[in-house]
Amino acid sequence: GNSVTQMEGPVTLSEEAFLTINCTYTATGYPSLFWYVQYPGEGLQLLLKATKADDKGSNKGFEATYRKETTSFHLEKGSVQVSDSAVYFCALSDNTNAGKSTFGDGTTLTVKP
Amino acid sequence: DAGVIQSPRHEVTEMGQEVTLRCKPISGHNSLFWYRQTMMRGLELLIYFNNNVPIDDSGMPEDRFSAKMPNASFSTLKIQPSEPRDSAVYFCASSLGTPNEKLFFGSGTQLSVL
Repeated sequence: GNSVTQMEGPVTLSEEAFLTINCTYTATGYPSLFWYVQYPGEGLQLLLKATKADDKGSNKGFEATYRKETTSFHLEKGSVQVSDSAVYFCALSDNTNAGKSTFGDGTTLTVKP
Repeated sequence: DAGVIQSPRHEVTEMGQEVTLRCKPISGHNSLFWYRQTMMRGLELLIYFNNNVPIDDSGMPEDRFSAKMPNASFSTLKIQPSEPRDSAVYFCASSLGTPNEKLFFGSGTQLSVL
């Protein structure tokens, strides 16, 4: 079956530091890959997505590249801000079910001023 | 669109009581998902519907849990009887229901069973 493995947290960084959160996946077929973000007291919301190999998703300074050869979709940001503090979830959606997604365990990021 | 709407936002109840959580998906979305989030288990898919039909309920923990989707604009998740270990945040999400589509999440219901 499908699975997503995320880098364990929590991650604590200083403002303006470089961020990487690792994500690898196992799936049949050709899944789409997503990063969702959850701010305190809220539901998850889409941060970025990529639908095929070598695609790069980007949003709000965050980027992730769909690497089929390494089955990875690592999240990066060059300079984090305090407002980026949140929980980040890597997920995949395959092309065999009605939009069913498989999520990683989430990585908590805290950015200190 | 108002997004996915869940109610109530918070629910506090006593063990043994029936709990009903409600969800209104985004209009036009064909798939609806119920998730449970806890510190210990993370985000778990409980059940999902496509075109109002339950497709996979293998994540429903016990017979105490049941879910319905009587029409395209409403779903309920019921726990009867509730237990303290059911305490969690329950999220509803919807999507267009086509492969590879993103999910839109509601704000969740924080359930506390005393």
